[in-house]
Amino acid sequence: QLQLQESGPGLVKPSETLSLTCTVSGGSTSSSSFYWDWIRQPPGKGLEWIGSIYYSGSTYYNPSLESRVTISVDTSKNQFSLKLSSVTATDTAVYYCARHPTFNTIFDIWGQGTMVSVSS
Amino acid sequence: DIQMTQSPSSLSASVGDRVTITCRASQNINSYLNWYQQKPGRAPKLLIYAASSLQSGVPSRFTGSGSGTDFTLTISSLQPDDFGTYHCQQSHSAPYTFGQGTKLEIK
Repeated sequence: QLQLQESGPGLVKPSETLSLTCTVSGGSTSSSSFYWDWIRQPPGKGLEWIGSIYYSGSTYYNPSLESRVTISVDTSKNQFSLKLSSVTATDTAVYYCARHPTFNTIFDIWGQGTMVSVSS
Repeated sequence: DIQMTQSPSSLSASVGDRVTITCRASQNINSYLNWYQQKPGRAPKLLIYAASSLQSGVPSRFTGSGSGTDFTLTISSLQPDDFGTYHCQQSHSAPYTFGQGTKLEIK
């Protein structure tokens, strides 16, 4: 059974770079059938899609964050990662990794999420 | 970006009630509409995809309908475990956007 697990610092200082990793178990990031995603949810608010990556390294991002976001994949470690630069308090959120099949952007498997706070 | 608007923002209903949540897209998204349930402190869980297809393992009391811009999630007979927040999401085009959520409470 496929499982996703986010990891990374829970506290980041303003203007610094937020870095998170998602470890995939019970499945492979090398699969040609899926994209791997990052989605976030500020406290008490709705969900925001951040971006997606394919096993080949092909990415696409939410234009609202594109200038600050980098998503990468390491198939040898079965992980994919998120970097968000120049963070501010508005980037405080629960960050989820997820996956969707190539034929439709349906987020069918999610990690449990990790809370990241931006504060000095 | 395609804007997704859910209504109501919250509702309270009794066990056994029929509950309906609506989601409206700012432009035609055909049937590219998915529904998720989120319990407090947990990740969202996929319920319905492609407007009306039930995800494996999801109880049949959940049904989805609609196409174009107007969509509905219906719970035919509300159960105690159905509390939580329900989110719609369009998968028509990037950036993939979600509704603001509908919080469902059990009376």
